[in-house]
Amino acid sequence: DGGITQSPKYLFRKEGQNVTLSCEQNLNHDAMYWYRQDPGQGLRLIYYSQIVNDFQKGDIAEGYSVSREKKESFPLTVTSAQKNPTAFYLCASNHGGGGTGELFFGEGSRLTVL
Amino acid sequence: KQEVTQIPAALSVPEGENLVLNCSFTDSAIYNLQWFRQDPGKGLTSLLLIQSSQREQTSGRLNASLDKSSGRSTLYIAASQPGDSATYLCAVTMDSNYQLIWGAGTKLIIKP
Repeated sequence: DGGITQSPKYLFRKEGQNVTLSCEQNLNHDAMYWYRQDPGQGLRLIYYSQIVNDFQKGDIAEGYSVSREKKESFPLTVTSAQKNPTAFYLCASNHGGGGTGELFFGEGSRLTVL
Repeated sequence: KQEVTQIPAALSVPEGENLVLNCSFTDSAIYNLQWFRQDPGKGLTSLLLIQSSQREQTSGRLNASLDKSSGRSTLYIAASQPGDSATYLCAVTMDSNYQLIWGAGTKLIIKP
């Protein structure tokens, strides 16, 4: 079955550590996205990529980094520079020019900083 | 700047009722609008996508309408069931840059 796989589902990090969240899709989608969701708030865009080897900053990119070396994969690194990293992270992908098609999501990764 | 608003933030209704969730947006230059469902601690599931040229889309007990001129979309749920309890979010894709703008969601509780 096609879909988006995020791992790990839960992750604990000590302050000062970098962590990488995995996102893999087998939907053959060109565009991929990373969102952050905090309790009581809407989704906020961290980074997005419309094509392999290219990505753009979203609204809250500071303290995060990404890569898009393969069409299927869009990993997100939460660096020690991110001051408040505890959150629920969602990866998404879609088709369409500029990414205008129906948006599909993974199950999310919950990061907790100890 | 586009703003997407969903009111109310929370809604509780008895099982079996028909209900309407609202989504309003300030800039009518949209490419499409999507409705999503999110269960607690889970990712989002796409329910319906309406292109800017369409007036409505239907899937099972769900019907979404779009009125670009008034900046409104509604999600109609017929014969609600406890399994419909979730948070419902809408998002618009901007015509200018294809960016998605999100509402904060409506938390729906269906009481048995």
